[in-house]
Amino acid sequence: ELKVEQNPLFLSMQEGKNYTIYCNYSTTSDRLYWYRQDPGKSLESLFVLLSNGAVKQEGRLMASLDTKARLSTLHITAAVHDLSATYFCAAGLTGTASKLTFGTGTRLQVTL
Amino acid sequence: DAGVIQSPRHEVTEMGQEVTLRCKPISGHNSLFWYRQTMMRGLELLIYFNNNVPIDDSGMPEDRFSAKMPNASFSTLKIQPSEPRDSAVYFCASSLATSVLTDTQYFGPGTRLTVL
Repeated sequence: ELKVEQNPLFLSMQEGKNYTIYCNYSTTSDRLYWYRQDPGKSLESLFVLLSNGAVKQEGRLMASLDTKARLSTLHITAAVHDLSATYFCAAGLTGTASKLTFGTGTRLQVTL
Repeated sequence: DAGVIQSPRHEVTEMGQEVTLRCKPISGHNSLFWYRQTMMRGLELLIYFNNNVPIDDSGMPEDRFSAKMPNASFSTLKIQPSEPRDSAVYFCASSLATSVLTDTQYFGPGTRLTVL
């Protein structure tokens, strides 16, 4: 059974600071996703990472994948208030089409 | 291009009543997923379909829950009878599961269900 853990669960940070959210998964996965959810809204896909060493960047967010360590990170550079949201990672078990296991989510609050 | 469409957006019902949630996936997508989100248990996969066929329903809580996908453009999730502990946001998502390169799941706006 694939398990996905995120930490921290809650992160309060000041604008302009850098921080990293960690996502660990328990067994071999062939795809890792990051999603964003604003309060009361749906989930929006941010990144998909498919291979060891993959790095994707969009604005102040950068995601990376280390399949050997079964670890993905979401790095936030110079945070701004608009990044306040809950971030989920999700992994798919190798050989199991479609199905994803989601982490518990990290609620990010960026303060002025 | 329209995204995943869900209806109703909000549903308030009384315990014991039947509830039907509806989902229209993105046109051309061949996989459809039903999730439930609560504060206590987070995001849970209830069931998913591939090419209209249920593949994994191990997340369906109990026999009160049932899901159907009669065609590629429509799915329902039914709860009968409903209970207060079913109160949650129910999301439908779809993907084009032909390869891992296209397998991103796109989520609908969700249905917020309250059972009194």
